[in-house]
Amino acid sequence: AQSVTQLGSHVSVSEGALVLLRCNYSSSVPPYLFWYVQYPNQGLQLLLKYTTGATLVKGINGFEAEFKKSETSFHLTKPSAHMSDAAEYFCAVNAGGTSYGKLTFGQGTILTVHP
Amino acid sequence: EAGVTQFPSHSVIEKGQTVTLRCDPISGHDNLYWYRRVMGKEIKFLLHFVKESKQDESGMPNNRFLAERTGGTYSTLKVQPAELEDSGVYFCASSQEGGYTEAFFGQGTRLTVV
Repeated sequence: AQSVTQLGSHVSVSEGALVLLRCNYSSSVPPYLFWYVQYPNQGLQLLLKYTTGATLVKGINGFEAEFKKSETSFHLTKPSAHMSDAAEYFCAVNAGGTSYGKLTFGQGTILTVHP
Repeated sequence: EAGVTQFPSHSVIEKGQTVTLRCDPISGHDNLYWYRRVMGKEIKFLLHFVKESKQDESGMPNNRFLAERTGGTYSTLKVQPAELEDSGVYFCASSQEGGYTEAFFGQGTRLTVV
């Protein structure tokens, strides 16, 4: 069985500061890992995903994440926060189904960006 | 191209009533998923359709929940009778068939049972 833990339900940063959202997972099989973002009154949008290959994955809006198997982590980073990054972020792992769609999610992290 | 659409966006019903949520996937997407997020908790998988067939319904909480996808297009999720603990946001997602493809999510339906 898979599980995902997001450390910190709320993260607050200043505009221009580094964004670091933490995600640790457990999986009995090689995982596929995802970060989704939900802006207010919108659906979940895929930021980036790791399947195989390069462990540093780049996504949309300047975000990236690094898969570290030894640490079972998939932390999300962005060098410089923008006000428009304020949203809720979800880390997820593929739950072993036959497509990307069956996912196990973390509890979410609300990112607040201060001017 | 239209995204995944869910109706209604909000629903408030009394305990014991019936509610039906609808999801229209992206055209041509054979995979359709339902998820639920109860307040303060993580988003949890409910079930997975491939076309009109239920591929995996391991996440359905109990027999008060009935999902259908007649004709392999839109899907409905009926809750009958609704209980207070059914309150939450219900998400639908769809993806193409064949291998590993991205799942696209709808905006969700916020269900409140009072």
